[in-house]
Amino acid sequence: GESVGLHLPTLSVQEGDNSIINCAYSNSASDYFIWYKQESGKGPQFIIDIRSNMDKRQGQRVTVLLNKTVKHLSLQIAATQPGDSAVYFCAESTSGTYKYIFGTGTRLKVLA
Amino acid sequence: EPEVTQTPSHQVTQMGQEVILRCVPISNHLYFYWYRQILGQKVEFLVSFYNNEISEKSEIFDDQFSVERPDGSNFTLKIRSTKLEDSAMYFCASRGGRPSGEQYFGPGTRLTVT
Repeated sequence: GESVGLHLPTLSVQEGDNSIINCAYSNSASDYFIWYKQESGKGPQFIIDIRSNMDKRQGQRVTVLLNKTVKHLSLQIAATQPGDSAVYFCAESTSGTYKYIFGTGTRLKVLA
Repeated sequence: EPEVTQTPSHQVTQMGQEVILRCVPISNHLYFYWYRQILGQKVEFLVSFYNNEISEKSEIFDDQFSVERPDGSNFTLKIRSTKLEDSAMYFCASRGGRPSGEQYFGPGTRLTVT
């Protein structure tokens, strides 16, 4: 099920290192997955998406991996930069519905 | 680059008052959404709107909430009688005509109910 809490898991990485942010989803019928970045005081910003017929998709400095067997999604950010500091949310959606279901979020802190 | 805009950025209201949150979606988009985010928590779906009617809504979206697209550009969320627990960031989002395409979010309206 979904969990909601006031304390986000935090990932701290050194500038220049790679970051991996994980997300578990619960609905095996979900067939579209999205990663969003949310900076303080702003709305979610689209990063990358993947459909369930794919295992991996690459963008600029970001890669999303999908493991449908264990219902797991990850976002890899290469050469993490200070501007990558934000909260990252995964979201899932199912064909025939209109809504996104967001995960709890992970706060990424990039250390100089 | 086209973007979703929302007004006001911050709305303070007293409990029991009506509020209207306004959004201008991206101009050629067909699907419109409202989400909310209570401070420190995840983004929660409220309602989706397509072809001038609600296509889906969550259990949060009760009779106190309504949405409207009064003209060709605006999309509004009305809360008839606000409660303290309605305090949150409210995000509008829009999507083009592709199935399961990405939703573009606005900057949000912070609603504070006192």
